[in-house]
Amino acid sequence: AQSVTQLGSHVSVSEGALVLLRCNYSSSVPPYLFWYVQYPNQGLQLLLKYTSAATLVKGINGFEAEFKKSETSFHLTKPSAHMSDAAEYFCAVRASGNTPLVFGKGTRLSVIA
Amino acid sequence: DSGVTQTPKHLITATGQRVTLRCSPRSGDLSVYWYQQSLDQGLQFLIHYYNGEERAKGNILERFSAQQFPDLHSELNLSSLELGDSALYFCASSPKGTGSSYEQYFGPGTRLTVT
Repeated sequence: AQSVTQLGSHVSVSEGALVLLRCNYSSSVPPYLFWYVQYPNQGLQLLLKYTSAATLVKGINGFEAEFKKSETSFHLTKPSAHMSDAAEYFCAVRASGNTPLVFGKGTRLSVIA
Repeated sequence: DSGVTQTPKHLITATGQRVTLRCSPRSGDLSVYWYQQSLDQGLQFLIHYYNGEERAKGNILERFSAQQFPDLHSELNLSSLELGDSALYFCASSPKGTGSSYEQYFGPGTRLTVT
């Protein structure tokens, strides 16, 4: 079975600072990994996905994530936070085959001016 | 805008009632997934339909049911509603096929409040 652990339910950074949101996964097979963002009162928007083509994945809005198999991690980063990045971020995993996404509990990112 | 539409946006109803949530996937997408988002449970997968057929079930209660119609829109039926069913209900669609790398595109959700 697959599972995702997001470390830190709430992360607060200053505007312009590095954003690091942590995600560790558990999967018995090579996983497919996703990061989604949810702005208040909206649905989830895909930021990026890992599908084994490259370990460093670039997404929208300047975000990127690195897949590290040895650490079973897929942390999300952004070099410089903007106020507009304030939102809830979800890491999700999907095993091979016709399986649904399994989401972490989410990390709320606050950006301080 | 993801291209996935959900109606209604908000729904307020009483315990014991029955409601129907509707989802239209992106044009060309054959898969529809339903998720429930609540503060205590987070995002939970409910059920997956592919081209009209049920493909997978998650933590879906027996009081809940879903179907996908020939035009590919889907409906989630919730009956004998309880206070604990209050949540955001999302549907998502993914491209043709059942590939594991396919991302899912989420609708804006239906916020259900049971009083």
